[in-house]
This record gives sequence, C-alpha cells and structure tokens, in this order.
Amino acid sequence: GDSVTQMEGPVTLSEEAFLTINCTYTATGYPSLFWYVQYPGEGLQLLLKATKADDKGSNKGFEATYRKETTSFHLEKGSVQVSDSAVYFCALSDYRGSARQLTFGSGTQLTVLP
Amino acid sequence: SQTIHQWPATLVQPVGSPLSLECTVEGTSNPNLYWYRQAAGRGLQLLFYSVGIGQISSEVPQNLSASRPQDRQFILSSKKLLLSDSGFYLCASEGTGVYEQYFGPGTRLTVT
Repeated sequence: GDSVTQMEGPVTLSEEAFLTINCTYTATGYPSLFWYVQYPGEGLQLLLKATKADDKGSNKGFEATYRKETTSFHLEKGSVQVSDSAVYFCALSDYRGSARQLTFGSGTQLTVLP
Repeated sequence: SQTIHQWPATLVQPVGSPLSLECTVEGTSNPNLYWYRQAAGRGLQLLFYSVGIGQISSEVPQNLSASRPQDRQFILSSKKLLLSDSGFYLCASEGTGVYEQYFGPGTRLTVT
C-alpha cells in the first residue's frame, strides 16, 4: 500500500539557518503531495501542495518539488525563524475505497532557537 | 474557504463512560469528511471517513463508531471508553481543489 517516510526528528536549528526535511513516498498511482504544519495543541494546517511531477509548491518561504524519479517531496526553507517551530507532516493523497485518503508520514519536530 | 469546528476542545472521561465528539463544517457542501486520531508524539491514524449522509467507512476496528446525520456534521462516538482511546482527535474535510484536507482544531481526550 501507499506509504510516506519522513526524516526522523527532532531537528534543532538556529534562527536564519537553512532547513531541509526529507520526505519520500511509495504509491501505486499518481498521488498529490502535501506538507502540513502543526503548532502545539492545534490542528494541522496545509502548508503547500503539488499535484504532478516537477510541480513546485511554495508558501511562507517554504518550498517543495514533486520529484517522480526519486519519489521525493523534500521541504526546504532558506532562513528559518523562531515562529517556524512546529511539527511538519508530509502526506500523499490517493484514491482508496470510495474516497481520496491522505497517508501521513510520522512527522518531524522542528525547533528554531533565537 | 472552509471552516471546521470541533467540540469540545478538551475532555476528561473515566474508563467505561460514553463519548460523543462533534464536528461541523462551514463553507462547502457535500464534503468528504474524516476522523483521525493522533497519539502523543505520533502521526495520524485515519479512523473513519464519510462520502455522504449516513455513509460511513471504518478504517480501523475498535470500540469507536461514527455517524453523519447531516451533510456538514460528523460525529464520533463510543459506548464505553478504554484507556487506549486517549489522544488528540481531528476532524477533516476534503477541499474542492486538488484533494487537500482541511483540519479542525482538534479535541484532546484523556481517559482516566
């Protein structure tokens, strides 16, 4: 079945450092790919998305490119801020049963120090 | 855009007591709806999804059940809670664009 593998955390960076969180996936079809962010005690927020190969999703300085040849969707940000501290989830959407379903990675905890 | 409401925000219940968590959605019609559970420090587990009123699909066998009495209302229930039911419960609604899901603020359930 479908699966998503994320970089193990936790990740601790200094403010203004470069961020990469690796994500690879396994899917039988052509899934859409997503990054979600979860701040403490809150629900998940959609950060960015990509629907086909070579698409680049971007939002709030974060970017990720849908790489079909390497089945990857790595999250990057050039200069992180303290406010970026959160848990980040990579996910894919594929059709199973009677509806589209999301398969999530295990999440990566990011802490940014001032 | 959609707005997903969940209540209560937090709940502490004894083992063996019943449960009812409610989710309502604004800003869309006939959405696919989902219930997830997130255990502490772990990823999300899909529990149920619904493609319409009265239509429920279960992903994980357990003592929980779900119902969809109205188009934009999704309820998670249990007749008798177990300690292992503790967790953070999230309701989600599918978007009309590229199949992303939008999440509610969640309910923190502690079973004592």
